[in-house]
Amino acid sequence: DGGITQSPKYLFRKEGQNVTLSCEQNLNHDAMYWYRQDPGQGLRLIYYSQIVNDFQKGDIAEGYSVSREKKESFPLTVTSAQKNPTAFYLCASRPGQGGYGYTFGSGTRLTVV
Amino acid sequence: QKEVEQDPGPLSVPEGAIVSLNCTYSNSAFQYFMWYRQYSRKGPELLMYTYSSGNKEDGRFTAQVDKSSKYISLFIRDSQPSDSATYLCATFTGGFKTIFGAGTRLFVKA
Repeated sequence: DGGITQSPKYLFRKEGQNVTLSCEQNLNHDAMYWYRQDPGQGLRLIYYSQIVNDFQKGDIAEGYSVSREKKESFPLTVTSAQKNPTAFYLCASRPGQGGYGYTFGSGTRLTVV
Repeated sequence: QKEVEQDPGPLSVPEGAIVSLNCTYSNSAFQYFMWYRQYSRKGPELLMYTYSSGNKEDGRFTAQVDKSSKYISLFIRDSQPSDSATYLCATFTGGFKTIFGAGTRLFVKA
């Protein structure tokens, strides 16, 4: 079955550490996205990528980095520069530009300890 | 002002009730409107998708868009406990950026 796989489901990070969240899709979608979800704030866009080897900052990119070396993969690194990283992170994809809804992964819960 | 406003709830209804979930948006250029359902600790799933104004029905769910008042609604008929979730409205003009509401938590009591 086609879909998006995010791993790990839960992740714990110590202060000052970088961590990488994995996102893989087998839907052959061109566009991929990373969102952060906090209670009461909805989904906020971190980064998005329309094609391989190209990505753009979203609304809250500071303290995060991404790469898009393969169409199927869009990993997100949460760096030590992100001051409040504890959140639920969601990866999504869709075919491309235009009126298509997202397919989301099941999310990664990151907690700073 | 947020581009999409949504009452966070929670909204609690008895089983079998008709549920009305609503959002307002600020940009008249928005053309595409979506509703997502998100169960606890899961990713959102696309529930309904409409373009421009009007109604769209799918089983017990009806999505309604009123562009004159910049108001979008989701109605759930004969609500079930399995409908208990957070419902997110979303919209965009086309292109690559979608704007989400904060989500409304719905509880359907058996």
